[in-house]
Amino acid sequence: AQSVTQPDIHITVSEGASLELRCNYSYGATPYLFWYVQSPGQGLQLLLKYFSGDTLVQGIKGFEAEFKRSQSSFNLRKPSVHWSDAAEYFCAARGGADGLTFGKGTHLIIQP
Amino acid sequence: GAVVSQHPSRVICKSGTSVKIECRSLDFQATTMFWYRQFPKKSLMLMATSNEGSKATYEQGVEKDKFLINHASLTLSTLTVTSAHPEDSSFYICSARRVTGTDNYEQYFGPGTRLTVT
Repeated sequence: AQSVTQPDIHITVSEGASLELRCNYSYGATPYLFWYVQSPGQGLQLLLKYFSGDTLVQGIKGFEAEFKRSQSSFNLRKPSVHWSDAAEYFCAARGGADGLTFGKGTHLIIQP
Repeated sequence: GAVVSQHPSRVICKSGTSVKIECRSLDFQATTMFWYRQFPKKSLMLMATSNEGSKATYEQGVEKDKFLINHASLTLSTLTVTSAHPEDSSFYICSARRVTGTDNYEQYFGPGTRLTVT
């Protein structure tokens, strides 16, 4: 069965520190991969996506993600977090034109 | 471009009543829309795929008679929660699929609808 795993439910990072959120997928073939951010009570905002080509993907708000086929991973990174980055982060995948399969999310807490 | 709206943003209804949620693609046509459900502090679960002019495709475990989906036009899909119960309280999010190239699609999400059943 297709699945997306985010192993970390909560992550706490100091403001200005670097961030890495983990995501692993299990699909029959390499899926399209996405990272979304959701602030409390809000909808989803797309941070970045990977379809093919360069395995290091740049997104909005200073985020980037690296696709590693050998590890079935698509980890999200940011070199220096800001207090406004506190939110819920979802990794998602889809095959072809299907609906998305989401991970359970990682709640990011920023310490001052 | 590629804006998706949902209406209402919040709705409170009494147990046993039905409530309709609208999902609109404002600046593009979407033959396919998706409906997701998000439980508190949980991930989003795909409920169904809504196809313009045809029946929706429901994910395993989703009651199609309880969650009625109608995709009557290229810009509008509706989700009707029938005979709502408190356990139907949730955050419902739709997305609309836009074709961006040959075999290439993007999904654009609406802001979500918070349903509370009392």
